[in-house]
Amino acid sequence: NAGVTQTPKFQVLKTGQSMTLQCAQDMNHNSMYWYRQDPGMGLRLIYYSASEGTTDKGEVPNGYNVSRLNKREFSLRLESAAPSQTSVYFCASRDNRDRITEAFFGQGTRLTVV
Amino acid sequence: AQSVTQPDIHITVSEGASLELRCNYSYGATPYLFWYVQSPGQGLQLLLKYFSGDTLVQGIKGFEAEFKRSQSSFNLRKPSVHWSDAAEYFCAVGAGYDYKLSFGAGTTVTVRA
Repeated sequence: NAGVTQTPKFQVLKTGQSMTLQCAQDMNHNSMYWYRQDPGMGLRLIYYSASEGTTDKGEVPNGYNVSRLNKREFSLRLESAAPSQTSVYFCASRDNRDRITEAFFGQGTRLTVV
Repeated sequence: AQSVTQPDIHITVSEGASLELRCNYSYGATPYLFWYVQSPGQGLQLLLKYFSGDTLVQGIKGFEAEFKRSQSSFNLRKPSVHWSDAAEYFCAVGAGYDYKLSFGAGTTVTVRA
């Protein structure tokens, strides 16, 4: 049982390049989330998808777009990468049929924008 | 909007000593509270959670946490730490209709021999 899988694990981009971070979960969860983690700031929510077909902005959505491709997959796209987007990105999922459940996290993608 | 404060950025503790990590939350209704642990280079693992009922909850790895509504706190404790407990610990609150998680800034725990 893989849980939440993120690809790639590491990426270096040049300023202005674009890329897509992939996330897939095999737990049949409805809700999926993208967070970024920066030193001293904990995890901040970028976007989330409460269910297939819906997406909503979190705390720090600027510079990002998302796609909920199907129930399993939720991708995060950087259209024009900036050094301020250097961070560790985590995808998470949870079962919201019973609203009171914990989120399960992937192993993270470490992104550096130079 | 909900928020979480972890007042201690870094704590150093001797192996075998007790550990307490503080967490204060802000939310108007009953929150759903979580503690996660992150080892270096890893994702987040759930230690324990509080939804309702008994205010003292037990988690994995010998951790426990106590919910105190009057103090808006959810402090994490362990009676005797092991070197493997060195990690970063995050308190989180889930609230709102979709129960998005809001995280504290984290507390890094160093264990000395």
